[in-house]
Amino acid sequence: DTGVSQDPRHKITKRGQNVTFRCDPISEHNRLYWYRQTLGQGPEFLTYFQNEAQLEKSRLLSDRFSAERPKGSFSTLEIQRTEQGDSAMYLCASSRGQGYGYTFGSGTRLTVV
Amino acid sequence: GEDVEQSLFLSVREGDSSVINCTYTDSSSTYLYWYKQEPGAGLQLLTYIFSNMDMKQDQRLTVLLNKKDKHLSLRIADTQTGDSAIYFCAEMNRDDKIIFGKGTRLHILP
Repeated sequence: DTGVSQDPRHKITKRGQNVTFRCDPISEHNRLYWYRQTLGQGPEFLTYFQNEAQLEKSRLLSDRFSAERPKGSFSTLEIQRTEQGDSAMYLCASSRGQGYGYTFGSGTRLTVV
Repeated sequence: GEDVEQSLFLSVREGDSSVINCTYTDSSSTYLYWYKQEPGAGLQLLTYIFSNMDMKQDQRLTVLLNKKDKHLSLRIADTQTGDSAIYFCAEMNRDDKIIFGKGTRLHILP
């Protein structure tokens, strides 16, 4: 197992386009988290899944954002009608469960032009 | 609300000890963490401490926790150029979410 994988590593898109990112967690981890990190800031929580159930969504996650984890394994994060303010590093993490530390992927850097 | 505060920059001479400090507000935090982020990379878990401990040592790393003052520190002994990175203090809150500080950029002087 090679850890948490995220794809793509970089994405440049025009404002108004839709983008989708993928995260493959560590296989035995049942929790999966999405965070967003902008320049000079720490990661900010967006949402998380316990298996396939989405248990919490941050108010940072506007209606243009949707996340899924259909089979409790990989997850996708879609942003519709991208705006320049969406430019950030999107980080995925997984954990064994409550109380365990997270393992982060390398992130997807989104640039909206 | 929950907040994690840490200084933004620290410069240390190679071979000296680095001490990065952090304060947090949630007294119900169960675990506290230190993550390292190198340029263009994701976050690497360096070490963590359970809230009922006051010290943890792991090779060159020493974590001190003062739960009364809600103060956490990370000491890196014999700092090397490879330690140059951003260090994030983080707490796991009662809802099992990890809340991060803004990070301390550690700069190593020759």
